[in-house]
Amino acid sequence: QAQLVQSGSEVKEPGASVKVSCKASGYTFTTFEINWVRQAPGQGLEWMGWMNPNSGNTGYAQKFQGRVTMTRNTSMNTVYMEVSSLRSEDTAVYYCARWRGYRYASNFYYYMDVWGKGTTVTVSS
Amino acid sequence: DIQMTQYPTSLSASVGDRVTITCRASQSIGSYLNWYQHKPGKAPELLIYATSNLQSGVPSRFSGSGSGTDFTLTISSLQPEDFATYYCQKSYSTPRTFGQGTKVEIK
Repeated sequence: QAQLVQSGSEVKEPGASVKVSCKASGYTFTTFEINWVRQAPGQGLEWMGWMNPNSGNTGYAQKFQGRVTMTRNTSMNTVYMEVSSLRSEDTAVYYCARWRGYRYASNFYYYMDVWGKGTTVTVSS
Repeated sequence: DIQMTQYPTSLSASVGDRVTITCRASQSIGSYLNWYQHKPGKAPELLIYATSNLQSGVPSRFSGSGSGTDFTLTISSLQPEDFATYYCQKSYSTPRTFGQGTKVEIK
């Protein structure tokens, strides 16, 4: 079955960068976009952006533009998300999630149906 | 950007209760609305997509309704495993914003 496996926990100092990976299996990697979502301690889910593994196109939430970069390696069925200039507020669990579509009449409805288990990123000096 | 507002932010309920959570969009999003359940230490799980479609494997006590700007998630008879935080999310264009969440706690 479809599965997303994320890289392990990271501890970084303020100002550093972190790169989290999300490896897909059980489906054709290039068929579905991947989203990144994070949850800071005591906070809700926050959508960060998306990547199309086929084209390499990306889109970021305005809050993260210029500080987040999403890339992929199609030979490894893996998507990466890098956050630079880390600050304490970036301490969070980061999730990747597959964006799947459902066609009804002439419309496509999309949703996140497969999620990684999350990667904890701690930013601390 | 379209804002998603859920209410209540938290609620206390007993096993067997009927629970309703509301999600409001700041502009019409048609039926482009999903619901997720999130438990501590686990990944979120999709419950309902396109307002009212139950994801495979999700119990039928969960249902969704609405359109335009107002949506509801209903749990017809709350079970012990349903105590969690629930999020709505818009899938109509980006950003794919989540509501702030509704925590369902044991009464």
